[in-house]
Amino acid sequence: AQSVTQLGSHVSVSEGALVLLRCNYSSSVPPYLFWYVQYPNQGLQLLLKYTTGATLVKGINGFEAEFKKSETSFHLTKPSAHMSDAAEYFCAVSDRYNQGGKLIFGQGTELSVKP
Amino acid sequence: NAGVMQNPRHLVRRRGQEARLRCSPMKGHSHVYWYRQLPEEGLKFMVYLQKENIIDESGMPKERFSAEFPKEGPSILRIQQVVRGDSAAYFCASSPTSVEETQYFGPGTRLLVL
Repeated sequence: AQSVTQLGSHVSVSEGALVLLRCNYSSSVPPYLFWYVQYPNQGLQLLLKYTTGATLVKGINGFEAEFKKSETSFHLTKPSAHMSDAAEYFCAVSDRYNQGGKLIFGQGTELSVKP
Repeated sequence: NAGVMQNPRHLVRRRGQEARLRCSPMKGHSHVYWYRQLPEEGLKFMVYLQKENIIDESGMPKERFSAEFPKEGPSILRIQQVVRGDSAAYFCASSPTSVEETQYFGPGTRLLVL
C-alpha cells in the first residue's frame, strides 16, 4: 500500500527566508508525486508534479521539488518566502496502478510567513 | 474554460436529514473523484467514477453514503441520515482520462451537521 508522511504539521518562516516542506512516501511501484496548495476555504491547486524524467521539478509561484528515490522523498522548496505563500500544503502520491489513480494525501503542512 | 464546480458551497443539515452534494467536472473530463477532509486532517479518497460507472468505491463508508455520475448532469454524493461525524469538507476532482495524472479540484462543499 502507498502512503505519504509530511514531517511537521506547522512550519513558520520569515518573509524572504527559505521554505522547506518535507514529504516522504512509501510505494511499491514507481510513484507519481504531487504537491498541492490550499488557501483558506478554497479547493486545492496543483503546484507541481513528478511523473518520470527529470527529478527536479519546477512548479508555479517559484516552488520546486526534487524526487529522491534513495531517500523516498519529495521535499518542496522555495528560495524566498512571500507573505502570499501562507497556506496549507499537501503532498500526495497517485495510486495509478490500482483503478484510476486516486490520490493518497499526507496530513498537510500549514505554512506561516512572518513579516 | 470553467473549472470544477461544486454546489452548494456550504450546507447545514440536522441529524437524520439527507445531504446531496453536486459536482460538475471540467468540460471534457469524464473522470470524477470525491475526497473528504475532516477537521485537522488531510484529504481521504472516497470514490472514483466514470460516466454511469463506479470504478473504485474503496473509500466510501459502507452505510448511508452513495455516489453517482449519470450520463447527463453532475456527479452526486449523497449522504443519508447524516450524523455529526459527517461534518467535513467534501471535494470533487476531475480528470480527462484515467491516464492523465493531474486531478483538478473544485472549491469544496462544507457540510455542517447540527
